[in-house]
Amino acid sequence: QKEVEQDPGPLSVPEGAIVSLNCTYSNSAFQYFMWYRQYSRKGPELLMYTYSSGNKEDGRFTAQVDKSSKYISLFIRDSQPSDSATYLCAMSSYGNKLVFGAGTILRVKS
Amino acid sequence: DGGITQSPKYLFRKEGQNVTLSCEQNLNHDAMYWYRQDPGQGLRLIYYSQIVNDFQKGDIAEGYSVSREKKESFPLTVTSAQKNPTAFYLCASSRLASPGELFFGEGSRLTVL
Repeated sequence: QKEVEQDPGPLSVPEGAIVSLNCTYSNSAFQYFMWYRQYSRKGPELLMYTYSSGNKEDGRFTAQVDKSSKYISLFIRDSQPSDSATYLCAMSSYGNKLVFGAGTILRVKS
Repeated sequence: DGGITQSPKYLFRKEGQNVTLSCEQNLNHDAMYWYRQDPGQGLRLIYYSQIVNDFQKGDIAEGYSVSREKKESFPLTVTSAQKNPTAFYLCASSRLASPGELFFGEGSRLTVL
């Protein structure tokens, strides 16, 4: 079993839809949770960074962490074609290296 | 503009040849990393360095080598010992205090012919 599981998709939605992207994990020591966005043939860029449980909002993006269920989510409101990309979750425990999910391909159709 | 520069963007290599991928950063970050990305897999850590003249193996270091002679530079050599070198290679950097906040380069795609 992988430490971090992420559905590879692709997830295809119409423009304006609310998108939900998710990861599950098995290591209860993880405390730091990140979402990266990667456009085709580019390097990933950090979207959201959260510590421990709870929600964090930044514009159209909301990150949620549920440590009791070992489940994290990224919500995108009013999705746009420019949101079409691969979304990678990543997490770590204190002082340790990041563990990445395989990434979910998102396609937003206009 | 501050950032990470990787070169070359595309590289073709014959079997049995070593190749070196360049990574330079001007963000004044102490930590630098090399990842490999294959279709359907997450990023896998090859090597990382937190200080000049020191580096540690990641999860898939076999067949790779690195050096860190300058803070700004962290080149990766893919040796002929690497069994499946065709992949997308990503260099990243971070501040030591925020290891989760990685800044990535645009990547180098290596194809072995």
